[in-house]
Parts: sequence; C-alpha cells; structure tokens
Amino acid sequence: AQSVAQPEDQVNVAEGNPLTVKCTYSVSGNPYLFWYVQYPNRGLQFLLKYITGDNLVKGSYGFEAEFNKSQTSFHLKKPSALVSDSALYFCAVRDRMDSSYKLIFGSGTRLLVRP
Amino acid sequence: SQTIHQWPATLVQPVGSPLSLECTVEGTSNPNLYWYRQAAGRGLQLLFYSVGIGQISSEVPQNLSASRPQDRQFILSSKKLLLSDSGFYLCAWSRRASGTPYEQYFGPGTRLTVT
Repeated sequence: AQSVAQPEDQVNVAEGNPLTVKCTYSVSGNPYLFWYVQYPNRGLQFLLKYITGDNLVKGSYGFEAEFNKSQTSFHLKKPSALVSDSALYFCAVRDRMDSSYKLIFGSGTRLLVRP
Repeated sequence: SQTIHQWPATLVQPVGSPLSLECTVEGTSNPNLYWYRQAAGRGLQLLFYSVGIGQISSEVPQNLSASRPQDRQFILSSKKLLLSDSGFYLCAWSRRASGTPYEQYFGPGTRLTVT
C-alpha cells in the first residue's frame, strides 16, 4: 500500500531563514512525488514533482525538493523564507506500479514564517 | 491555457436537503477528474475520480454520488445531506496518459456548511 507522512503539523521559521518541510513515503515500487501549497480558502497549487533523474527538483516560487531514495524522503526546501510563504503544504505520492491516476496525499504541514 | 471552475463558492444547506456541486474544465480534452473533501483545513479525502464520460470510481462509501455527463464536467451530488458532509470540496483535473505521472490541478473549492 502507498502512504505518505508529514511528521510535522507546523513549522515555524523566521523570514530570511532557510525552511524545510519534511515528507517521507512508502510505496511498493518507485515513486512519483509531488508538493502542493494551499492558501486559506483556496485550492491547492502545484509546486513541483519528482519523476526520475536529478534528485534535486526545482519548482515554483523558489522552492526545491530533494529526493532521497535510501531515506524514502522528499523534503521541501527554500533557502530564504518569505512571510508570504506562510500556508499549508501537502506532499503526495503515486507508485509507478499503480495503474490508477490517484495521488496519495499527506496530512499537511502548516508553515508559519514570522517577520 | 487550462482553467478549472467550481460553483458555488460557498453553500449553506439544511440537513436532509439535496446537493449539487459542479466542476468544469476548460482548455483541455479527455481529462481525468477528481472530487476531494477537506475537513478542518487539513487532509484531503479522495471521494470520486473519473477517467471518462460516465466512468466513475468511488473511493469512500457514503451518501454522495458523482456524475460526468460531459467530457469536462464533473458533478457531485447528494439526495439528503448529513451534518458530516460539511467541508471544503475540491475538484481537480489531470492529463490522461498511461504511465505518465501528470500532476493534478485544483479548482478554487466550494465551502459547504450543513446546518
């Protein structure tokens, strides 16, 4: 069975500092991995995805994520946080062996960037 | 470019009343379509997904149903709402291609409050 875990309900960081939002996954085969962001009362916005190749994936708004197969992790990072980055972040996974089109989403991590 | 619409944006309905939420996608053909529910601003629950007209897969047994009368239209319905149906309903679409991990794109959501 596929699963994804976001171990932190909330991450607090000061503006200008680097941020990391953690995600670990479990799949039978190899994963496709995604990050989304959600602002209050809005739909989710796609940030980036890992399919294959370079383990460091760059996405929208200066975010990047690093795929680590040995640790089954796909942590979201940004070198310098902005107050406007404060939002709810979701990691999602799909097993390459899964013929459906479903994504399995984590429970979400709330990022709070203080001025 | 592709856009996804949901309406209404907000809805307050009494227990036992019917429900109809609509989602339409523009600028693409043959999309996969999805309905999610998000409770308390956190995790996403996949309710239904569709890979074509009239093809609906249900993920969670409940008093909701979905229909896809046209290629780019996805409707979520209920004959009698329960208090537990309250939540934020999100529609999403993705391109359809076997074995290709296309990301999902989300609509703005409908906030449903059952009173």
